[in-house]
Amino acid sequence: EVQLVESGGVLGQPGGSLGLSCAASGFTFSNYVMNWVRQAPGKGLEWVSTIGTTVGNTYYADSVKGRFTISRDNSRNTLYLQMNSLRADDTAVYYCARYSVFPLPMRYFDSWGQGTLVTVSS
Amino acid sequence: EIVMTQSPATLSVSPGERATLSCRASQSVSSNLAWYQQKPGQAPRLLIYGASTRATGMPARFSGSGSGTEFTLTISSLQSEDFAVYYCQQYNDWPPFTFGGGTKVEIK
Repeated sequence: EVQLVESGGVLGQPGGSLGLSCAASGFTFSNYVMNWVRQAPGKGLEWVSTIGTTVGNTYYADSVKGRFTISRDNSRNTLYLQMNSLRADDTAVYYCARYSVFPLPMRYFDSWGQGTLVTVSS
Repeated sequence: EIVMTQSPATLSVSPGERATLSCRASQSVSSNLAWYQQKPGQAPRLLIYGASTRATGMPARFSGSGSGTEFTLTISSLQSEDFAVYYCQQYNDWPPFTFGGGTKVEIK
């Protein structure tokens, strides 16, 4: 069974830093592109970041570029999101999600974690 | 950036009735369009990809259609478990991946 389990969501201070993790199991983690998608309270879904199957290719939404860093450790089957210079509008549930690239890229998110809540407030 | 617009924002439907949800893209996304269902307190779940292909395990009462800029999600006969928020997402031109604002399907 595919499982994605996020952790690290807590209360953060404006201007501060937080780190999120997503532990993957039930599939070959290194074969999947991994993503972070967030949802502010009562709002819709917003794509945040994507990392390719190897660590070379990373992509960010303009709203987080230069502040957030996505990374992965294929040996630990874990996805990360380092969040710096936090702002109040970063408050959201953060989901990790995957998509397949074999045999061809299929860039829809076929599995999601349960999410972890990040609250940025003083 | 491709903007995705969903309508209506809220759809009130009686159980057993048909629901039709719309999604419009600001420019062509070909058939690179997915639909997700989200229930309160839960993560989104993939329903449809490639505009019309049901994801594994999704009931046949869910169907998707369209290409280019106009897409439709149809629920042929609403069941109690179908009352939820539905989002469309384009993956034709990225980054960024973009989602519509969602349509809430509520009990009439």
